[in-house]
Amino acid sequence: DGGITQSPKYLFRKEGQNVTLSCEQNLNHDAMYWYRQDPGQGLRLIYYSQIVNDFQKGDIAEGYSVSREKKESFPLTVTSAQKNPTAFYLCASEILGLTGFPTEAFFGQGTRLTVV
Amino acid sequence: QKEVEQNSGPLSVPEGAIASLNCTYSDRVSQSFFWYRQYSGKSPELIMSIYSNGDKEDGRFTAQLNKASQYVSLLIRDSQPSDSATYLCAVGDMYSGGGADGLTFGKGTHLIIQP
Repeated sequence: DGGITQSPKYLFRKEGQNVTLSCEQNLNHDAMYWYRQDPGQGLRLIYYSQIVNDFQKGDIAEGYSVSREKKESFPLTVTSAQKNPTAFYLCASEILGLTGFPTEAFFGQGTRLTVV
Repeated sequence: QKEVEQNSGPLSVPEGAIASLNCTYSDRVSQSFFWYRQYSGKSPELIMSIYSNGDKEDGRFTAQLNKASQYVSLLIRDSQPSDSATYLCAVGDMYSGGGADGLTFGKGTHLIIQP
């Protein structure tokens, strides 16, 4: 089955720790994204990547880091510099349209991160 | 700063009626428009996409786009209790210079279908 797999589903982090959230897709999609969702809020873009070995900061990149060493994988590291990391993290991917327009983005099931 | 505005609700609709969800966006160059449904604690699920002015129908769902007014809506006919969820409007911009910057999401409208 094609899709986007995020792991783990739930993650607990101690103060001062770095944690890495996994995102893998087998849809052969070009672009991948990380969003953060807080209760009652919309999705906010953290980082995105269009091609392997290249990625761009989104609106709230501070305290986060990513890598794109393979087309299928786009892990997100939440560093100790992120002061309020408790949130629902969503990974998404999409095919880039021929004209450059965003097409349909599909989401993984999400990772709920809690600081303890 | 690109903005997508939605009424947060809750919007309460009787079962079998038409639910009407609205969204406005600030960036005139926006070209791609999407409606996602999100159940509590779950990830968003794409239900409609629309790229041209006018209406697009898919089953009980109709998306309407008016670029001149910077307005997009979603109609749900014959509303069912299973339609109760938060509906997110998302807007995509044409990118230049090779950079895709993803979608800008509204905060969502919480829809409740009353049996």
